Amino acid sequence: DAMVIQNPRYQVTQFGKPVTLSCSQTLNHNVMYWYQQKSSQAPKLLFHYYDKDFNNEADTPDNFQSRRPNTSFCFLDIRSPGLGDAAMYLCATSRTSGGETQYFGPGTRLLVL
Amino acid sequence: QKEVEQNSGPLSVPEGAIASLNCTYSDRGSQSFFWYRQYSGKSPELIMFIYSNGDKEDGRFTAQLNKASQYVSLLIRDSQPSDSATYLCAVNGGSQGNLIFGKGTKLSVKP
Repeated sequence: DAMVIQNPRYQVTQFGKPVTLSCSQTLNHNVMYWYQQKSSQAPKLLFHYYDKDFNNEADTPDNFQSRRPNTSFCFLDIRSPGLGDAAMYLCATSRTSGGETQYFGPGTRLLVL
Repeated sequence: QKEVEQNSGPLSVPEGAIASLNCTYSDRGSQSFFWYRQYSGKSPELIMFIYSNGDKEDGRFTAQLNKASQYVSLLIRDSQPSDSATYLCAVNGGSQGNLIFGKGTKLSVKP
């Protein structure tokens, strides 16, 4: 089945220790998104790639970076996690941008100690 | 700042009743409207999308769109306890037309 996969599902890191979250997709979609979602809040878009074009949201902290080495994979790097970065990180894909249906992976729950 | 507003709930309905979930949005130019279901600790799952004014039905779910009033709703008929979840409304209108999500309405269906 075509899908969006995220690894790991749970990640525990220490304050200030870099962490990388992974997302892969078999849908062959052009666009991949990273969202941050905290409890009882809306998913907050951090950035997205349209193919190799990187698009950063204006209010995404510099502490968050992303890489998309190929169509299938996208990574979220948090360079120096703070306690406030503990959240669910959601990867999503869509065929194109501009309001197309987005399909979500299962998410990675990040805990910062 | 473009916004999507939802009543956070919780909305409690008895099993078998109709649950009505509402969403308003601020960007009059929005063209795509989505409802996602999110179980606690899980990721959002697409329920329905709607692009045109009026109703769109899929099984027990009906999405209703009124662009003049900037209002979109989701009706769930014959509600089941398994429908208990948070329902997120999403509307295109963010940067490059990306989706803006509401905070969600928590629905509880009581047996």
